[in-house]
Amino acid sequence: EIVLTQSPGTLSLSPGERATLSCRASQSVSSSYLAWYQQKPGQAPRLLIYGASSRATGIPDRFSGSGSGTDFTLTISRLEPEDFAVYYCQQYGSSPQYTFGQGTKLEIK
Amino acid sequence: QVQLQESGPGLVKPSETLSLTCAVSGYSISSGYYWGWIRQPPGKGLEWIGSIYHSGSTYYNPSLKSRVTISVDTSKNQFSLKLSSVTAADTAVYYCARVLVGYPDIDYWGQGTLVTVSS
Repeated sequence: EIVLTQSPGTLSLSPGERATLSCRASQSVSSSYLAWYQQKPGQAPRLLIYGASSRATGIPDRFSGSGSGTDFTLTISRLEPEDFAVYYCQQYGSSPQYTFGQGTKLEIK
Repeated sequence: QVQLQESGPGLVKPSETLSLTCAVSGYSISSGYYWGWIRQPPGKGLEWIGSIYHSGSTYYNPSLKSRVTISVDTSKNQFSLKLSSVTAADTAVYYCARVLVGYPDIDYWGQGTLVTVSS
């Protein structure tokens, strides 16, 4: 089973700053099978990035994903007030199986 | 617009079976996609429970496999979750979702329903 480890656990930044969130896999993951989600309190998660770097429908271009192999990154270029939330990475494996990271909380500094 | 709506009891007694249904509108289950269940204990992260294809093929999280059954009713355009022998550790918000076949992408989620396991 592939384990996804996200860092940092909590990230404190101010609006307008750049956010960099990391997702590290215990084994190599195909880029096609890595996604990122945003979750706000009391809401279901929302798909942000699929295929490691493709933005989902309606996602602003300040969100970008990158990476390959075991190291993946979600970058928010200029934080807006509505971006403060919890972010999860997720991978798809054979069987099929799905694994989520433990999440990174992005909070206002 | 695709919409998913969970329904079922919000309180289940320990050792009993948790049963939830997800009604899908705006898209026919028979047209494709996997249909899945994901849960989130209060204040914690997301855990995939399992998925089903319209043909009835199922895929379960190995850690829950012995207690989980997911079924589909294409005539009602809905799918269901049963989790047996529940304990307090099964207390969570349960989400139903649409999952792209062969990829991790979950593009539509239900609003989620809190199920509490308590006597």
